[in-house]
Amino acid sequence: NAGVTQTPKFQVLKTGQSMTLQCAQDMNHEYMSWYRQDPGMGLRLIHYSVGAGITDQGEVPNGYNVSRSTTEDFPLRLLSAAPSQTSVYFCASSYSSHREAFFGQGTRLTVV
Amino acid sequence: AQRVTQPEKLLSVFKGAPVELKCNYSYSGSPELFWYVQYSRQRLQLLLRHISRESIKGFTADLNKGETSFHLKKPFAQEEDSAMYYCALAGAQKLVFGQGTRLTINP
Repeated sequence: NAGVTQTPKFQVLKTGQSMTLQCAQDMNHEYMSWYRQDPGMGLRLIHYSVGAGITDQGEVPNGYNVSRSTTEDFPLRLLSAAPSQTSVYFCASSYSSHREAFFGQGTRLTVV
Repeated sequence: AQRVTQPEKLLSVFKGAPVELKCNYSYSGSPELFWYVQYSRQRLQLLLRHISRESIKGFTADLNKGETSFHLKKPFAQEEDSAMYYCALAGAQKLVFGQGTRLTINP
């Protein structure tokens, strides 16, 4: 059972480049979310989805886009990378926001 | 708005000493509170939730609605408890986390 899989694990981008962080889960979870982890800031919610076709903004959505075309996948897109987006990104899934969340292993992104 | 505050970024205690990690929250509705833990080189994982009212790895946490707190406690710390701990609150549709507390248990 793979759980939550994030790709890539590491990425270096130049300012202004775009990229997509992939997240897939095989637990048939309806709820998926993206967080960024920064020292002293904890985990901050970027975007979340309560089911296929439904997404909403979290605490820090600016500079990021998401879509949820299937239950399994929830990609996070950076349209024009900025150094302030240097962070570790975590994807999580659960049956609902009130149930246990299962996390991916994280993507360490550096924007230079 | 949902907000979780963990006032201590770092906490260091000796093995065998009691541990308390503080968590305060702000939410107008009926909250569900969780503690998540991230051990070195492992994924973030659920430690416990207030609804289950159980003890996991010797840790307990009581929801105090009057003080809007959900502090994590363990009477006797062990070296394997060294990790990053996050308090989290589930509101209407969002799961939000606090800033995290890095707990170090000294031998």
